[in-house]
Amino acid sequence: AQSVTQLGSHVSVSEGALVLLRCNYSSSVPPYLFWYVQYPNQGLQLLLKYTSAATLVKGINGFEAEFKKSETSFHLTKPSAHMSDAAEYFCAVSTWSSYKLIFGSGTRLLVRP
Amino acid sequence: DSGVTQTPKHLITATGQRVTLRCSPRSGDLSVYWYQQSLDQGLQFLIQYYNGEERAKGNILERFSAQQFPDLHSELNLSSLELGDSALYFCASSAGTGPNGYEQYFGPGTRLTVT
Repeated sequence: AQSVTQLGSHVSVSEGALVLLRCNYSSSVPPYLFWYVQYPNQGLQLLLKYTSAATLVKGINGFEAEFKKSETSFHLTKPSAHMSDAAEYFCAVSTWSSYKLIFGSGTRLLVRP
Repeated sequence: DSGVTQTPKHLITATGQRVTLRCSPRSGDLSVYWYQQSLDQGLQFLIQYYNGEERAKGNILERFSAQQFPDLHSELNLSSLELGDSALYFCASSAGTGPNGYEQYFGPGTRLTVT
Protein backbone atom coordinates (compact mmCIF):
# COMPACT_ATOMS: atom_id res chain seq x y z
CA ALA A 1 0.00 0.00 0.00
CA GLN A 2 1.09 3.56 -0.61
CA SER A 3 0.70 6.70 1.46
CA VAL A 4 1.95 10.27 1.46
CA THR A 5 2.59 12.64 4.34
CA GLN A 6 3.00 16.35 3.79
CA LEU A 7 4.50 18.14 6.75
CA GLY A 8 2.96 21.53 7.38
CA SER A 9 -0.53 22.41 6.22
CA HIS A 10 0.58 26.04 5.80
CA VAL A 11 3.97 27.44 4.85
CA SER A 12 4.63 31.17 4.73
CA VAL A 13 7.67 32.71 3.00
CA SER A 14 8.72 36.17 1.92
CA GLU A 15 8.90 37.02 -1.74
CA GLY A 16 12.38 36.09 -2.97
CA ALA A 17 12.97 33.54 -0.21
CA LEU A 18 13.55 29.82 -0.61
CA VAL A 19 10.47 27.65 -0.84
CA LEU A 20 10.65 24.19 0.76
CA LEU A 21 7.57 21.98 0.89
CA ARG A 22 8.04 18.59 2.51
CA CYS A 23 6.71 15.25 1.34
CA ASN A 24 7.41 11.77 2.69
CA TYR A 25 6.02 8.67 1.10
CA SER A 26 5.49 5.04 1.92
CA SER A 27 5.40 2.41 -0.79
CA SER A 28 5.96 -1.32 -0.85
CA VAL A 29 7.13 -1.15 -4.47
CA PRO A 30 9.16 1.47 -6.36
CA PRO A 31 7.03 4.57 -6.48
CA TYR A 32 6.14 7.16 -9.03
CA LEU A 33 6.00 10.54 -7.28
CA PHE A 34 4.32 13.75 -8.33
CA TRP A 35 3.78 17.31 -7.23
CA TYR A 36 0.62 19.10 -8.29
CA VAL A 37 -0.37 22.73 -7.73
CA GLN A 38 -3.93 23.96 -7.26
CA TYR A 39 -4.76 27.63 -7.64
CA PRO A 40 -8.02 28.90 -6.12
CA ASN A 41 -11.11 27.61 -7.93
CA GLN A 42 -9.03 25.66 -10.42
CA GLY A 43 -8.06 22.08 -11.12
CA LEU A 44 -4.72 20.47 -10.37
CA GLN A 45 -1.73 21.21 -12.56
CA LEU A 46 1.19 18.81 -12.80
CA LEU A 47 4.38 20.52 -11.60
CA LEU A 48 6.83 17.65 -11.89
CA LYS A 49 7.19 13.88 -11.66
CA TYR A 50 9.70 11.22 -10.60
CA THR A 51 9.62 7.84 -12.30
CA SER A 52 12.94 6.15 -11.38
CA ALA A 53 15.16 8.09 -13.77
CA ALA A 54 17.14 11.08 -12.46
CA THR A 55 16.66 11.64 -8.73
CA LEU A 56 16.68 15.44 -9.14
CA VAL A 57 13.64 16.41 -11.13
CA LYS A 58 12.99 19.82 -12.63
CA GLY A 59 9.48 21.04 -13.23
CA ILE A 60 7.61 24.06 -14.41
CA ASN A 61 7.77 27.56 -12.93
CA GLY A 62 11.28 27.01 -11.51
CA PHE A 63 10.34 24.22 -9.10
CA GLU A 64 12.40 21.11 -8.55
CA ALA A 65 12.28 18.08 -6.28
CA GLU A 66 14.78 15.47 -5.17
CA PHE A 67 13.93 11.82 -4.66
CA LYS A 68 15.77 10.41 -1.63
CA LYS A 69 15.08 6.72 -1.24
CA SER A 70 16.96 6.42 2.07
CA GLU A 71 14.77 9.14 3.57
CA THR A 72 11.60 8.18 1.63
CA SER A 73 11.27 11.84 0.77
CA PHE A 74 10.41 13.93 -2.27
CA HIS A 75 10.60 17.54 -1.09
CA LEU A 76 9.69 20.40 -3.43
CA THR A 77 11.92 23.47 -3.63
CA LYS A 78 12.19 26.76 -5.45
CA PRO A 79 15.13 29.12 -4.91
CA SER A 80 13.13 32.35 -4.98
CA ALA A 81 9.41 32.65 -4.27
CA HIS A 82 7.14 34.82 -6.38
CA MET A 83 3.77 36.18 -5.34
CA SER A 84 2.24 34.08 -8.12
CA ASP A 85 3.44 30.90 -6.37
CA ALA A 86 0.78 31.31 -3.68
CA ALA A 87 -1.40 28.22 -4.04
CA GLU A 88 -1.99 24.78 -2.57
CA TYR A 89 0.55 22.08 -3.36
CA PHE A 90 -0.13 18.36 -3.31
CA CYS A 91 2.35 15.51 -3.28
CA ALA A 92 1.08 12.23 -4.72
CA VAL A 93 2.29 8.67 -5.21
CA SER A 94 1.40 5.90 -7.62
CA THR A 95 3.12 2.78 -8.89
CA TRP A 96 3.68 0.93 -12.16
CA SER A 97 1.02 -1.59 -11.14
CA SER A 98 -1.63 0.94 -10.17
CA TYR A 99 -1.80 4.34 -11.77
CA LYS A 100 -4.28 5.72 -9.23
CA LEU A 101 -2.87 8.68 -7.33
CA ILE A 102 -2.71 8.70 -3.55
CA PHE A 103 -2.50 12.31 -2.41
CA GLY A 104 -1.10 13.98 0.65
CA SER A 105 -3.25 16.41 2.59
CA GLY A 106 -1.77 19.42 0.83
CA THR A 107 0.33 22.42 1.85
CA ARG A 108 -0.92 25.95 1.36
CA LEU A 109 1.93 28.26 0.39
CA LEU A 110 1.57 31.90 1.37
CA VAL A 111 4.00 34.43 -0.11
CA ARG A 112 4.46 37.69 1.79
CA PRO A 113 5.45 40.83 -0.10
CA ASP B 1 -5.66 24.27 -20.15
CA SER B 2 -5.14 20.55 -19.53
CA GLY B 3 -7.40 19.43 -22.38
CA VAL B 4 -9.73 17.63 -19.96
CA THR B 5 -13.23 19.07 -19.88
CA GLN B 6 -15.87 18.62 -17.21
CA THR B 7 -19.49 19.65 -17.12
CA PRO B 8 -21.25 21.17 -15.37
CA LYS B 9 -18.95 23.51 -13.47
CA HIS B 10 -21.41 23.87 -10.59
CA LEU B 11 -24.35 21.79 -9.41
CA ILE B 12 -26.73 22.57 -6.61
CA THR B 13 -29.25 19.92 -5.71
CA ALA B 14 -31.27 18.60 -2.79
CA THR B 15 -30.73 15.58 -0.59
CA GLY B 16 -32.05 12.36 -2.06
CA GLN B 17 -31.59 13.49 -5.64
CA ARG B 18 -29.43 11.99 -8.40
CA VAL B 19 -26.91 13.83 -10.56
CA THR B 20 -24.59 12.99 -13.43
CA LEU B 21 -21.17 14.51 -13.90
CA ARG B 22 -19.53 14.36 -17.29
CA CYS B 23 -15.89 14.24 -18.33
CA SER B 24 -14.15 14.29 -21.70
CA PRO B 25 -10.50 13.17 -21.59
CA ARG B 26 -7.58 14.69 -23.46
CA SER B 27 -7.39 13.68 -27.07
CA GLY B 28 -5.71 10.28 -27.31
CA ASP B 29 -5.99 9.40 -23.61
CA LEU B 30 -7.64 6.05 -22.94
CA SER B 31 -7.79 6.17 -19.16
CA VAL B 32 -10.13 8.27 -17.03
CA TYR B 33 -9.98 8.70 -13.27
CA TRP B 34 -12.45 10.27 -10.86
CA TYR B 35 -11.42 11.96 -7.62
CA GLN B 36 -13.37 13.65 -4.84
CA GLN B 37 -11.97 16.64 -2.97
CA SER B 38 -13.57 17.64 0.31
CA LEU B 39 -12.40 19.59 3.34
CA ASP B 40 -12.55 16.63 5.70
CA GLN B 41 -11.34 13.83 3.40
CA GLY B 42 -8.93 15.69 1.13
CA LEU B 43 -8.35 14.32 -2.37
CA GLN B 44 -9.60 10.75 -2.67
CA PHE B 45 -9.43 8.40 -5.65
CA LEU B 46 -12.83 7.02 -6.60
CA ILE B 47 -12.52 4.93 -9.74
CA GLN B 48 -10.52 4.40 -12.94
CA TYR B 49 -11.58 3.29 -16.39
CA TYR B 50 -9.35 2.24 -19.22
CA ASN B 51 -10.78 2.04 -22.74
CA GLY B 52 -14.27 1.37 -21.46
CA GLU B 53 -13.36 -1.15 -18.77
CA GLU B 54 -13.21 -0.56 -15.04
CA ARG B 55 -9.59 -0.92 -13.96
CA ALA B 56 -9.41 0.16 -10.33
CA LYS B 57 -11.76 1.14 -7.56
CA GLY B 58 -11.07 3.29 -4.56
CA ASN B 59 -13.26 4.69 -1.81
CA ILE B 60 -16.34 4.90 -3.98
CA LEU B 61 -19.70 4.59 -2.25
CA GLU B 62 -22.25 2.07 -3.50
CA ARG B 63 -24.57 5.02 -4.26
CA PHE B 64 -22.01 6.20 -6.81
CA SER B 65 -21.34 4.59 -10.16
CA ALA B 66 -19.40 5.46 -13.27
CA GLN B 67 -18.90 4.34 -16.81
CA GLN B 68 -16.75 5.10 -19.82
CA PHE B 69 -18.38 5.19 -23.20
CA PRO B 70 -17.02 4.05 -26.61
CA ASP B 71 -16.06 7.64 -27.43
CA LEU B 72 -14.02 7.56 -24.16
CA HIS B 73 -15.98 10.21 -22.32
CA SER B 74 -16.98 9.23 -18.82
CA GLU B 75 -19.89 9.90 -16.51
CA LEU B 76 -20.03 9.72 -12.73
CA ASN B 77 -23.51 9.13 -11.35
CA LEU B 78 -24.26 10.08 -7.76
CA SER B 79 -27.58 9.00 -6.30
CA SER B 80 -29.50 9.32 -3.02
CA LEU B 81 -27.39 12.37 -2.35
CA GLU B 82 -26.50 13.33 1.20
CA LEU B 83 -25.17 16.58 2.61
CA GLY B 84 -21.77 14.93 3.02
CA ASP B 85 -21.50 14.36 -0.72
CA SER B 86 -20.95 18.08 -1.22
CA ALA B 87 -17.46 18.30 -2.68
CA LEU B 88 -15.37 19.10 -5.71
CA TYR B 89 -15.29 16.20 -8.15
CA PHE B 90 -12.32 16.00 -10.50
CA CYS B 91 -11.83 13.96 -13.59
CA ALA B 92 -8.33 13.21 -14.81
CA SER B 93 -7.06 11.41 -17.87
CA SER B 94 -3.88 9.69 -18.91
CA ALA B 95 -2.64 7.59 -21.79
CA GLY B 96 -3.03 4.63 -19.45
CA THR B 97 -0.20 2.71 -21.04
CA GLY B 98 3.25 3.31 -22.46
CA PRO B 99 6.17 5.32 -21.02
CA ASN B 100 4.04 8.24 -19.84
CA GLY B 101 0.84 6.34 -19.27
CA TYR B 102 0.81 7.24 -15.58
CA GLU B 103 0.83 11.04 -16.06
CA GLN B 104 -2.60 12.32 -15.11
CA TYR B 105 -4.03 15.61 -16.32
CA PHE B 106 -6.91 17.08 -14.38
CA GLY B 107 -10.04 18.85 -15.46
CA PRO B 108 -11.35 22.01 -13.77
CA GLY B 109 -13.75 20.05 -11.59
CA THR B 110 -17.46 20.06 -10.83
CA ARG B 111 -18.48 21.66 -7.55
CA LEU B 112 -21.45 19.79 -6.11
CA THR B 113 -23.50 21.37 -3.36
CA VAL B 114 -26.18 19.26 -1.71
CA THR B 115 -28.74 21.24 0.30
